[in-house]
Amino acid sequence: GAVVSQHPSWVICKSGTSVKIECRSLDFQATTMFWYRQFPKQSLMLMATSNEGSKATYEQGVEKDKFLINHASLTLSTLTVTSAHPEDSSFYICSADPPGSYEQYFGPGTRLTVT
Amino acid sequence: QKEVEQDPGPLSVPEGAIVSLNCTYSNSAFQYFMWYRQYSRKGPELLMYTYSSGNKEDGRFTAQVDKSSKYISLFIRDSQPSDSATYLCAMIPRGMTTDSWGKLQFGAGTQVVVTP
Repeated sequence: GAVVSQHPSWVICKSGTSVKIECRSLDFQATTMFWYRQFPKQSLMLMATSNEGSKATYEQGVEKDKFLINHASLTLSTLTVTSAHPEDSSFYICSADPPGSYEQYFGPGTRLTVT
Repeated sequence: QKEVEQDPGPLSVPEGAIVSLNCTYSNSAFQYFMWYRQYSRKGPELLMYTYSSGNKEDGRFTAQVDKSSKYISLFIRDSQPSDSATYLCAMIPRGMTTDSWGKLQFGAGTQVVVTP
């Protein structure tokens, strides 16, 4: 199967600071990547769709200015949590589907803790 | 009513037993079906992908799709303690628009515990 990586796997930051999470497709090019958020014992919640070369599409209720997404290349999308607060602490996961396929592959996730 | 219904469990089975998981859905437009396994604090891992009614087998895993009943299943044979995880069903409709392209609809996930 296709491989998607994320970095970092765990980050701790202080309230008010910003943190960037990277998502990379290692063995395929992805024009579209997806960012999810997951709270303990809950299913994944789609935050936004990241499109290479254009603006991200955010789901209803997700603050665009708080969760900045940049899809700079066909293998890299970044999620920046700006002015983080403790309630932003969560598990963030990205996914991508290889060209011509509906199968989506997920990254290993990034645990964000805001103190 | 949720578009995809999945019993959250937990489902506890003894080692070696068959694990039976299922999801029902209400939107007849769903065309592509996936099963994921997720360990605690890890990203989901794609186990099975299918787009037609019938059975698909891969090792110990069998996926079934019944579009007439809007019902999908995953069976795990000869279950092992390492199969203890949360299993998520997911699906994508045909005829996606630009806004809906690639967006998975997930079930709630079923927690499975395989006891030695």
